[in-house]
Amino acid sequence: DIQMTQSPSSVSASVGDRVTIMCRASQGIGTWLAWYQQKPGKAPNLLIYAASSLQRGVPSRFSGRGSGTDFTLTITSLQPEDVAIYFCQQAKSFPLTFGGGTKVELK
Amino acid sequence: EVQLVESGGGLVQPGGSLRLSCATSGFTFSSYAMTWVRQAPGKGLEWISAISGGSSATYLADSVKGRFTISRDNSKNTLYLQINTLRAEDTAVYYCAKTYGSGRGGYYYYMDVWGKGTTVTVSS
Repeated sequence: DIQMTQSPSSVSASVGDRVTIMCRASQGIGTWLAWYQQKPGKAPNLLIYAASSLQRGVPSRFSGRGSGTDFTLTITSLQPEDVAIYFCQQAKSFPLTFGGGTKVELK
Repeated sequence: EVQLVESGGGLVQPGGSLRLSCATSGFTFSSYAMTWVRQAPGKGLEWISAISGGSSATYLADSVKGRFTISRDNSKNTLYLQINTLRAEDTAVYYCAKTYGSGRGGYYYYMDVWGKGTTVTVSS
């Protein structure tokens, strides 16, 4: 199975800050990676697919980079509505696996 | 508008069974692979099962293999998850999710639309 490891587990930042979340795969997955945002009590929402493609309707302050084993999700200017937990997911092979999540909070 | 609505969750005793349903609308159901993902209270996301558009391929996580069965009825635009021999650790919110689509290489297992989830609680 491909293990997905996210870091940090939580981050506290101010409005307008740049926030970067990392995701590492235990083996190469090309660009078969997605990022999701989950707000409390809600279902996850797809932000990024294929490592760097922005899902329709997602604000352009979200961006994704990486290939192989190392990936990043960046929020260029943190907004209050971005407070959430973010998960990465590999779509290279079954079983599909998620990272443990990164909680983004406001300072 | 694409919509997914799960149902069938509830309180069940250990060893019991449930059948979860996911009614869909707003897209050509048979053209998309579908998945089930669960989330235990206060925990992360766990993928548990997927099925291709025509049901020719099904996939299950090891944690549920032999106890859970995924199926779909394309005439009813509905996805199912039969869950048997329930354990306390199966307590979770169960989400169904539509996958992104397909290309030359097959299905793209990114989950672009999710239902609101249905809660399964296993307790005596």
